Amino acid sequence: AQRVTQPEKLLSVFKGAPVELKCNYSYSGSPELFWYVQYSRQRLQLLLRHISRESIKGFTADLNKGETSFHLKKPFAQEEDSAMYYCALRRKGAQKLVFGQGTRLTINP
Amino acid sequence: GAVVSQHPSWVICKSGTSVKIECRSLDFQATTMFWYRQFPKQSLMLMATSNEGSKATYEQGVEKDKFLINHASLTLSTLTVTSAHPEDSSFYICSAVGSSYEQYFGPGTRLTVT
Repeated sequence: AQRVTQPEKLLSVFKGAPVELKCNYSYSGSPELFWYVQYSRQRLQLLLRHISRESIKGFTADLNKGETSFHLKKPFAQEEDSAMYYCALRRKGAQKLVFGQGTRLTINP
Repeated sequence: GAVVSQHPSWVICKSGTSVKIECRSLDFQATTMFWYRQFPKQSLMLMATSNEGSKATYEQGVEKDKFLINHASLTLSTLTVTSAHPEDSSFYICSAVGSSYEQYFGPGTRLTVT
């Protein structure tokens, strides 16, 4: 069975500080990992996926298969980053996503 | 970009009545759509997979007779909550699968059962 764990329900950092949202997963096969973001009163949207190895809005995430982690990082947080962040896993070739519990990130001015 | 709409955005109904929620992919076709339920300050819980032209696949613990899903066209899936009760009050979110298996999410429907 696949499982995604986001250990922090709430995370609060000051503007300009680095931020790291943790995500660990359990899956014996080859996973595809994603980060989704939900801004206040908006729909869930894809932030980034591990296969793209891209940086979106200054965020990056590296898949660490040894530690089964996919932590989301940003070196300098901005107030507009305040949102709910969900880590999600998908089996290769499948369409279904398994979501973590989510982390509410608050950036303080 | 791929857009998914839901209708209605919110609905209040009396206990014992049925409510239908629509999920539409506006500018793309989706053979697969998903229905999720989200409780306040909690994650999304997958309820079922809606497949165009065939029966939906329900997750364990989700009553298929309670939550009826119909995916009659490549752009529309409906979720009907039958004989709704207050414990069915929740935020229901759909997603539609586009190219590259990416899921595009609707804005959600808030259901309140009184």
